[in-house]
Amino acid sequence: DAMVIQNPRYQVTQFGKPVTLSCSQTLNHNVMYWYQQKSSQAPKLLFHYYDKDFNNEADTPDNFQSRRPNTSFCFLDIRSPGLGDAAMYLCATSRSRGSSYNEQFFGPGTRLTVL
Amino acid sequence: AQSVAQPEDQVNVAEGNPLTVKCTYSVSGNPYLFWYVQYPNRGLQFLLKYITGDNLVKGSYGFEAEFNKSQTSFHLKKPSALVSDSALYFCAVRPLLSTGGFKTIFGAGTRLFVKA
Repeated sequence: DAMVIQNPRYQVTQFGKPVTLSCSQTLNHNVMYWYQQKSSQAPKLLFHYYDKDFNNEADTPDNFQSRRPNTSFCFLDIRSPGLGDAAMYLCATSRSRGSSYNEQFFGPGTRLTVL
Repeated sequence: AQSVAQPEDQVNVAEGNPLTVKCTYSVSGNPYLFWYVQYPNRGLQFLLKYITGDNLVKGSYGFEAEFNKSQTSFHLKKPSALVSDSALYFCAVRPLLSTGGFKTIFGAGTRLFVKA
């Protein structure tokens, strides 16, 4: 089945130790998103890729970076995790062209713990 | 400012009874409207969307939503609730004339609890 896959599902890191979360999709969608979600709150968009074009949200800290080497994969890098970065990180995809906009397909999320 | 409001943190309903989860929005232009559901420790799942056309939209798992332009609302409904419907529900809006690319504005979420 076509889907959005996130690895690992659970990630534990130490304060200040860089960590990378990965996302892959078999849907061949052109838009990929990274969200941060804390304690069942609304997901907060960090950034998204429209094809190869990277779009950063104005309030996303510089500590968060992303890479999209090809259509299928997207990575979230947290350069120096702080305790406040502990959260669920959700990857999502959508198929969107021009002014059309379709629903997003979400992965199961990676729960990040910072010790 | 553009926003989405889900006025109820939690909705409690008995199994078999109808349920409504409320959503109102404040965005410029005519938006795309969505409902997503999230089960514990899972990502969000798409339920339904309104783009244009009939104000009553039918979606997955027997859910439907009614778009009301004058009241800027998009309430989620189901005629007969199931215990398995218990989850966190998010209303989301994508402003049609947004200059912010593909940003979707999510509501704060409403936890639905269906009692057997």
